[in-house]
Formats: sequence, C-alpha cells, structure tokens
Amino acid sequence: NAGVMQNPRHLVRRRGQEARLRCSPMKGHSHVYWYRQLPEEGLKFMVYLQKENIIDESGMPKERFSAEFPKEGPSILRIQQVVRGDSAAYFCASSQQGARSPLHFGNGTRLTVT
Amino acid sequence: DAKTTQPTSMDCAEGRAANLPCNHSTISGNEYVYWYRQIHSQGPQYIIHGLKNNETNEMASLIITEDRKSSTLILPHATLRDTAVYYCIALNTGNQFYFGTGTSLTVIP
Repeated sequence: NAGVMQNPRHLVRRRGQEARLRCSPMKGHSHVYWYRQLPEEGLKFMVYLQKENIIDESGMPKERFSAEFPKEGPSILRIQQVVRGDSAAYFCASSQQGARSPLHFGNGTRLTVT
Repeated sequence: DAKTTQPTSMDCAEGRAANLPCNHSTISGNEYVYWYRQIHSQGPQYIIHGLKNNETNEMASLIITEDRKSSTLILPHATLRDTAVYYCIALNTGNQFYFGTGTSLTVIP
C-alpha cells in the first residue's frame, strides 16, 4: 500500500526560476491538500483540491503560486519566480472524504532558493 | 473550527505513559477531535480521532471529557521514537485541517 508520494524530496532553485512540486495521493483518495512549513514554524494550510477542482485556496499567496490536480496524474504545486522567502518544506496530504476522514501526509519537498 | 490550546512542551520518562492534554472549550457538537504528530523533518502522522466517545487504536488512546471541552491523548508506554510535536485539531467536517503550534514531547531515557 503506497502512501502519499511527493517528489522531488529536495529541490534547489535560483531566485527567479520556477519550482514544480508533485504529489501522488494514496490510491482511492481524490482529495489533496498542500501545506507549507517554514523553518522552526508550524504547518500552514495553502490549498485544498478535489479532482480538477480547487475547493479552498484561502492559504495560497495571491501571486506566483498555483495548484492543480488533473483528472490523470499527480497534483502539482507551482511556484513561479521563486524568492528566498519561498524556501520551506512543502507537504501534501490526501484523504478519501475530505475533512470527514483523516489526512495522510507525504514526507514533503524541501525547497531551497539560492 | 474550535480553537485548541496545548502546552508548549512536555517531558516523559521512557516506558511511562505520556498524557498530552488539549483544551477545546469552544468546540461545537459536530466537530471531531483529531491528533497528529510530526517527527523531525517528516510529514505529520495521523494518530487517532474521536467525536464524543473514548477511542483506542494500536498507537494511542483518546479520552474526551463528557462536556467535550477537553481531551487527552495517551501513549501508554512511551519510547524514544515517540519524541515529536503533537497536534490537537478540532475540526468541522466541512472545513480544513488547521495545525496550531502543538506540544513538543521529549521522551527521556
């Protein structure tokens, strides 16, 4: 039983480049959540998607950040024109029934912007 | 979602029970109490959840007071690998999981 898979585990980007983070949910899960964790801080909700639809993006920065969860393939969190402040761990979680069932997390992507 | 309050940090001797409290005095009738933990550098791990009855699984027990204003997560025999940050979340099924600052539990040999 594969859990939530995130890749890459580590990603280094120069300022101004684009970062693409991928998340494959657990089998049978159609709800995906993205969280960001800055060093020494707690997890901050970013966005909640359910197959091709963005349900809640209240935690997403208004510019440069976007997320998608296509019918086929993994969910993608895209950060354009990265800045040093984007350096963080980005965690993806999936669930079977949204908030009516537990979230299962991946081990995250550590983004470093140089 | 109800706000939750947890102690910032706790210590527990290895082999003893770790009792982690959580206050959720504003919880409403349809909000579940969820517990997660995050071991350094890893993704959060689901532990247990409940609505009003006490719950037990292979990892822990969850004791919810009768008025549902507080709960306690019990790790019956703490090991060094239980050292982690533990998060208590009170969640309405229509909303999202918001993580607070949690309790940093250190299991001492």
